[in-house]
Amino acid sequence: AQKVTQAQTEISVVEKEDVTLDCVYETRDTTYYLFWYKQPPSGELVFLIRRNSFDEQNEISGRYSWNFQKSTSSFNFTITASQVVDSAVYFCALFSGGYNKLIFGAGTRLAVHP
Amino acid sequence: EAGVAQSPRYKIIEKRQSVAFWCNPISGHATLYWYQQILGQGPKLLIQFQNNGVVDDSQLPKDRFSAERLKGVDSTLKIQPAKLEDSAVYLCASSLNRGGNNEQFFGPGTRLTVL
Repeated sequence: AQKVTQAQTEISVVEKEDVTLDCVYETRDTTYYLFWYKQPPSGELVFLIRRNSFDEQNEISGRYSWNFQKSTSSFNFTITASQVVDSAVYFCALFSGGYNKLIFGAGTRLAVHP
Repeated sequence: EAGVAQSPRYKIIEKRQSVAFWCNPISGHATLYWYQQILGQGPKLLIQFQNNGVVDDSQLPKDRFSAERLKGVDSTLKIQPAKLEDSAVYLCASSLNRGGNNEQFFGPGTRLTVL
């Protein structure tokens, strides 16, 4: 079965706090891709990152970083020094060759308060 | 580069009525997707086109939903007749090609309310 679990439904932080969004996935395929998308109030899904199953290197992009751990089937996303503009719903998604479609988690709503 | 365009942005209809949504993907993108996003959930794939052919419609309620992609460019998704549970945001996305190594670009969506 292909499944993505984002256990945190909503997170509320104060500006400049660090915040980590959790993502746990399930797949039997050995080749797969993991994604994070941001959905601001405007509704459009914005691509943040793609990771393939053979690349476990962590990635940093400005205030954003991602921790991919195959041993725990997790692909967590950390925002450092959060800002109000980071307020959005964040989705983790899985694409595996056997299933051949993008499976999204339920999303985590992040509210960053001034 | 222009993004994925969708219209209308909002639609309110009564149950049993018909509705159609339009999508214009990014130029040159062979693969087009329609997703349904119910409030509080992640998007769920309804149908996927490769050029003008359907490659996956396993989650499309075919008794009431239909979609086409004439000439392998624009696409239309239709619901006839609509039910209350069809209230959702309908997202169109496109990618250069199929496969997980191809980023999907999403449009702004059409928010459908069925009364």
